[in-house]
Amino acid sequence: ELQLVESGGGLVQPGGSLRLSCAASGFTFSRNWMHLVRQPPGKGLVWVSRINPDGTDTDYADSVKGRFTISRDNAKSTLYLQMNSLRAEDTAVYFCARGPLSSGWYFDLWGRGTLVTVSS
Amino acid sequence: SYVLTQPPSVSVAPGETARITCGGINIGSKSVHWYQQKPGQAPVLVMYYDSDRPSVIPERFSGSNSGNTATLTISRVEAGDEADYYCQVWDSSTDHLYVFGTGTKVTVV
Repeated sequence: ELQLVESGGGLVQPGGSLRLSCAASGFTFSRNWMHLVRQPPGKGLVWVSRINPDGTDTDYADSVKGRFTISRDNAKSTLYLQMNSLRAEDTAVYFCARGPLSSGWYFDLWGRGTLVTVSS
Repeated sequence: SYVLTQPPSVSVAPGETARITCGGINIGSKSVHWYQQKPGQAPVLVMYYDSDRPSVIPERFSGSNSGNTATLTISRVEAGDEADYYCQVWDSSTDHLYVFGTGTKVTVV
């Protein structure tokens, strides 16, 4: 079955760290750009980061640059987001999303998300 | 940064047509993509490159883009279409690269 399943969310104190995982199945993971998109409670979608198929090229939104690191293990078909120096404003549901083979401009498959809450 | 503005809500009766707008400066020069998000579920791509529809999306969904407004149209609305809808563009001039609209809640009344 074609799917993305996120895990690793939870409650963390400000300044803390968390690592999210996104397990892919049903497609050749190593061929696609992968993305992280977040959604603060009650708000809209915000793009966070992306990584190219072989993991050598990454981009980040300014709001997370220097604090978050995206990576992937193609042998395990898994995407990771290492989040350090977490802030209250990082509280959100984090979705992983796939970029289609034919285009880098949108997302054709999403996971259901994992909730990260940053609070003392 | 590039801003995409959507109406917060659209109400429509079953069987009628819902039109969801997405406003942005010269958005007609960009490719617009649309997502449907139901509570607690993964977002689903419903339209890409303005008016291309994924094979699993009903023909009732259509899209257009011109000038400063892109539009997602849902014809013969059904109760199952009730959801939040987001437009999205790619914009290299902004740090976010991928810009989402503010979102529209479609309510079937």
